[in-house]
Amino acid sequence: KAGVTQTPRYLIKTRGQQVTLSCSPISGHRSVSWYQQTPGQGLQFLFEYFSETQRNKGNFPGRFSGRQFSNSRSEMNVSTLELGDSALYLCASSSRGESQETQYFGPGTRLLVL
Amino acid sequence: AQSVTQLDSQVPVFEEAPVELRCNYSSSVSVYLFWYVQYPNQGLQLLLKYLSGSTLVKGINGFEAEFNKSQTSFHLRKPSVHISDTAEYFCAVKWGGSTLGRLYFGRGTQLTVWP
Repeated sequence: KAGVTQTPRYLIKTRGQQVTLSCSPISGHRSVSWYQQTPGQGLQFLFEYFSETQRNKGNFPGRFSGRQFSNSRSEMNVSTLELGDSALYLCASSSRGESQETQYFGPGTRLLVL
Repeated sequence: AQSVTQLDSQVPVFEEAPVELRCNYSSSVSVYLFWYVQYPNQGLQLLLKYLSGSTLVKGINGFEAEFNKSQTSFHLRKPSVHISDTAEYFCAVKWGGSTLGRLYFGRGTQLTVWP
């Protein structure tokens, strides 16, 4: 099976712009989670989607949003970018998003905000 | 509040020496425990996990970890490291209940193996 794929791998944006990142989960997986990784804050949970519904949300401002499509692919959007949004954004998928399941991670999208 | 603590941010070690990376978490009620490894410019790869049963779990690349409920710890060990083990290691915990699939991560431990 193909792993989790994320596009694009690298992005450069300027402050105030918005950005959309895409994640395709492992075939058959219905749960997709997003994490932000920065040197200062480490790995932080953004949100989780299951069957097109947001099931869980981390402590991020409303500028961060996401959605999931019927084929389980997910997108996250960041509006009005700030310098502090520069980070590696990781997507992970699992079959049903249950606690005992392993989450499989994609390679990430590295976002640089200038 | 749920939290995961990795006590060492950096661990230098010589090749073929043993290593232990430490991880503690805030509550042992209904926990599922994971160790992930991250190589430069890559995502996270699962090393091993503890869901239930035997407290000693074995993973890939010769790593193992022991679940200690009383000490709320899940330390990662390898008896003999290789240069290729140089990477960042993350301990992660899921708590059952409303947080479902959410992973809580430690801050990571950079393991550097010297020849």
